[in-house]
Amino acid sequence: AQSVTQPDIHITVSEGASLELRCNYSYGATPYLFWYVQSPGQGLQLLLKYFSGDTLVQGIKGFEAEFKRSQSSFNLRKPSVHWSDAAEYFCAVVPLYSGGYNKLIFGAGTRLAVHP
Amino acid sequence: DTAVSQTPKYLVTQMGNDKSIKCEQNLGHDTMYWYKQDSKKFLKIMFSYNNKELIINETVPNRFSPKSPDKAHLNLHINSLELGDSAVYFCASSLDGQGAYGYTFGSGTRLTVV
Repeated sequence: AQSVTQPDIHITVSEGASLELRCNYSYGATPYLFWYVQSPGQGLQLLLKYFSGDTLVQGIKGFEAEFKRSQSSFNLRKPSVHWSDAAEYFCAVVPLYSGGYNKLIFGAGTRLAVHP
Repeated sequence: DTAVSQTPKYLVTQMGNDKSIKCEQNLGHDTMYWYKQDSKKFLKIMFSYNNKELIINETVPNRFSPKSPDKAHLNLHINSLELGDSAVYFCASSLDGQGAYGYTFGSGTRLTVV
């Protein structure tokens, strides 16, 4: 079945530690790929996106993500986490269909907690 | 100047009531959406309009009726509210219906049905 999977429901890291959030997708063709962040009580903010080209994508707030076609993955990374990064992170895809309109489909999210 | 704005931010109402949520975008985007986020934070698309035309209508009870008076506005009217309608509703917009550039989301409307 077509899906977006975020295997980790909850991750806790220490401030200053590195971070990797996993995302896998299951679609026939490589979809458009996105990471969004939702701070408590807030809306969704786009961190970065991938359509094609360089497989390492830089985003806002020091985040980057790497697209790996062979693994159908688009993992989000940050070298040093700040306490303000504590939030819910969503991987999302826009599957590509020939003709018609597309829609953004979200993974279940990963809640990040940051210890001081 | 907020790109996608929703009103109200909070809505508390009794079962059986009818309520509306309004959304406006000033980005010049052609396509607008309604998403529902449930208590487990799962986000699911409900509707999409492209230039005032309904293009996506997921399996949503017909008590929910979207309306787009122009391409900058997309409102959501809910009739006969039920407890299960309690959720956060997000409006979003994208440049076009292909979604390649991502979606811009509003800050959400937290609906509580009591």
